[in-house]
Amino acid sequence: KQEVTQIPAALSVPEGENLVLNCSFTDSAIYNLQWFRQDPGKGLTSLLLIQSSQREQTSGRLNASLDKSSGRSTLYIAASQPGDSATYLCAVFNTDKLIFGTGTRLQVFP
Amino acid sequence: DAEITQSPRHKITETGRQVTLACHQTWNHNNMFWYRQDLGHGLRLIHYSYGVQDTNKGEVSDGYSVSRSNTEDLPLTLESAASSQTSVYFCASSPRVGGQETQYFGPGTRLLVL
Repeated sequence: KQEVTQIPAALSVPEGENLVLNCSFTDSAIYNLQWFRQDPGKGLTSLLLIQSSQREQTSGRLNASLDKSSGRSTLYIAASQPGDSATYLCAVFNTDKLIFGTGTRLQVFP
Repeated sequence: DAEITQSPRHKITETGRQVTLACHQTWNHNNMFWYRQDLGHGLRLIHYSYGVQDTNKGEVSDGYSVSRSNTEDLPLTLESAASSQTSVYFCASSPRVGGQETQYFGPGTRLLVL
């Protein structure tokens, strides 16, 4: 059974820092992987979707990598801003259904 | 713009009552999903549907049911609400059966069962 783990559970950093969020999964035979952002009391917003054949995907200050052989994905946020404060969730596809990690709660303070 | 909406956004009910949560999407997506989100468990799949008249059980389906009478709507029913069903419920949709495109999420329904 696929399990998805995100470490750390919470992270607090000063504005301007570059940071890395980690996601690991137990079954390396995954399909695609998706990173989401969730603001308090809100729904999920898709950030990046990495196809299983890709190693990286970039959008603005965000870069997500995927290493299937080691069962890991990372989300890199460059030059963090207070507006980046949110919970970040990774999810792996099991055919067309998502299996979620428990998230990393990020706080960026001025 | 196309969107996915959920109603109500907040609901308080009593143990044993039947509750229905609505989900409506205007993308004309084939796939629709219901998840629940609980502290320490992340989001877990309750039920999903690949199209009209199709429904399937997810990881945590006990005590829940869904029906799909049209493409746009997938209501979630709690047959007899229990305190363990206090949670935040999210509906999502995606375009194709078997596809791995982005899933689009609604804003969620916060349910409290007393």
